[in-house]
Amino acid sequence: EAGVVQSPRYKIIEKKQPVAFWCNPISGHNTLYWYRQNLGQGPELLIRYENEEAVDDSQLPKDRFSAERLKGVDSTLKIQPAELGDSAVYLCASTMNTNSPLHFGNGTRLTVT
Amino acid sequence: RKEVEQDPGPFNVPEGATVAFNCTYSNSASQSFFWYRQDCRKEPKLLMSVYSSGNEDGRFTAQLNRASQYISLLIRDSKLSDSATYLCVVKGDGQNFVFGPGTRLSVLP
Repeated sequence: EAGVVQSPRYKIIEKKQPVAFWCNPISGHNTLYWYRQNLGQGPELLIRYENEEAVDDSQLPKDRFSAERLKGVDSTLKIQPAELGDSAVYLCASTMNTNSPLHFGNGTRLTVT
Repeated sequence: RKEVEQDPGPFNVPEGATVAFNCTYSNSASQSFFWYRQDCRKEPKLLMSVYSSGNEDGRFTAQLNRASQYISLLIRDSKLSDSATYLCVVKGDGQNFVFGPGTRLSVLP
């Protein structure tokens, strides 16, 4: 089966610019997660979707971050405007059901200069 | 206190050694437990789930102690290819997967 697909792999932008990341989960996986991982740390949850509903966005910095999963399949995470501290790897993951482990995409490495 | 804690290491061990990692979690309502492996500049990948009775997969053994709220991973006969960061992951009743900071392992020739 095809895995979680993310794009782009790398993105370099100047601060105050907007940026968007795209994720296509494994087919049939209703739950989708966006995580952010800083160097030397574990991934930290930004938002979780059940189908098209954002069921947990408590850790999403809503002043500059937004996400959508309009048809309950692929998802977009946006930052506007980006700040230097947003430099990190943004990981998308999906699961089939509540008893399944997470499957990750290969991430988008963002550098804000 | 962080929800999931691990010793960041690094653990530097010779090939063939046995090494053990521990992880503690704070949410007593946690329901599922996993170990993930992450290679440098790669995404985390599932190593193994952790079951209440303990479980083994080849050279890897995972244990869960619910009373003390800790999880362990034992690697026997370490290989050079085991060098990676090992992430402890806990899934609470809220359905979110919470990651520890990871423990770095370097297996030396």
